Amino acid sequence: EPEVTQTPSHQVTQMGQEVILRCVPISNHLYFYWYRQILGQKVEFLVSFYNNEISEKSEIFDDQFSVERPDGSNFTLKIRSTKLEDSAMYFCASRADGNYGYTFGSGTRLTVV
Amino acid sequence: AQTVTQSQPEMSVQEAETVTLSCTYDTSESDYYLFWYKQPPSRQMILVIRQEAYKQQNATENRFSVNFQKAAKSFSLKISDSQLGDAAMYFCAFRYGGSQGNLIFGKGTKLSVKP
Repeated sequence: EPEVTQTPSHQVTQMGQEVILRCVPISNHLYFYWYRQILGQKVEFLVSFYNNEISEKSEIFDDQFSVERPDGSNFTLKIRSTKLEDSAMYFCASRADGNYGYTFGSGTRLTVV
Repeated sequence: AQTVTQSQPEMSVQEAETVTLSCTYDTSESDYYLFWYKQPPSRQMILVIRQEAYKQQNATENRFSVNFQKAAKSFSLKISDSQLGDAAMYFCAFRYGGSQGNLIFGKGTKLSVKP
């Protein structure tokens, strides 16, 4: 069964550093998403991406965040200057056109120290 | 704005017994979809079951079934013949219709299964 692949599985970074979280969505999917889950809390929507542009973003997704689909297969989330409160599990998800079902990746655990 | 409420932070069930997890939601939309996701300790998000709002028939997937009450905006998950591997966080999620719909999650219910 096709999978959404996320790398790395765990990243530790120093406060103020830039991080890039990587995702490879399912190849025929057209809609891409990033979600965040702070430990012990609910999963929160960050951003959706379609047709090479952001289609919707939440208030969490401020100027420190950006997304990119640089080569038609990878989908990245960049955090420019990490804060302690950015520590969370970050999930990538993708969805095919005309299909309401999401497939999630295994997540990247980001720890900011 | 749509909201999803899971009123049971924790639930416990004996192995082989049946448990029901509750979920309510609030929306003014008529076209939407509902989901239950399972998150084991590995923290991966695994789709358990989904329901289209326009379908009156409740969805079932093996031991998992839902009780979808559209007028009451209720979407509960029933797990029959509970197994130790069912122990996890369970999240109810809502997505409105249309091509750009995003998932809105509840806070989750932690399910423990006792041997």
